Amino acid sequence: IAGITQAPTSQILAAGRRMTLRCTQDMRHNAMYWYRQDLGLGLRLIHYSNTAGTTGKGEVPDGYSVSRANTDDFPLTLASAVPSQTSVYFCATSQGHTDTQYFGPGTRLTVL
Amino acid sequence: GESVGLHLPTLSVQEGDNSIINCAYSNSASDYFIWYKQESGKGPQFIIDIRSNMDKRQGQRVTVLLNKTVKHLSLQIAATQPGDSAVYFCAENSGGSNYKLTFGKGTLLTVNP
Repeated sequence: IAGITQAPTSQILAAGRRMTLRCTQDMRHNAMYWYRQDLGLGLRLIHYSNTAGTTGKGEVPDGYSVSRANTDDFPLTLASAVPSQTSVYFCATSQGHTDTQYFGPGTRLTVL
Repeated sequence: GESVGLHLPTLSVQEGDNSIINCAYSNSASDYFIWYKQESGKGPQFIIDIRSNMDKRQGQRVTVLLNKTVKHLSLQIAATQPGDSAVYFCAENSGGSNYKLTFGKGTLLTVNP
């Protein structure tokens, strides 16, 4: 059982390009989350989904979009990447939206 | 110790010593707290959690203490090992219908052999 997988592991992207970060879980958790982690700022919530078919905005949603077509997948899309989106992105899941969150291995994204 | 919102402090201990990492939280409505460990280049790893109706919870080599009066949380690691070297951060859930964790910036623990 892999738990939570994220792809790619790392990516260098030109500004203005579109990019989708993938997150897949095999734990059948209902809730999923996307965070970015920046030095000195800690983890900040971008978007979340309490259950398949629903999504919500977190603390820093601008420039990002998500979808939750099924329980297992929660892709994060940058429609037109900008250098300030250079960060490490973590996907997390929880059984219910009030339960402990478990994190994936992260994607390191550099936007030039 | 750390506080949700401050710079990353550091703690250096000798192998075999006990470590205490502190966290202050600001929201008195928070009812659930979690400690995470993050090694370099990896995602945060769940260590232990505690709900607000408890003041102490023990795991394997780790103990979390919660003092709601002064809004303080601590993580105690017994017999610290080199493999414990990592950034540790606390998270609090202030409740409500939309589950939202607020994370501290973390404390860097370095274990010297």
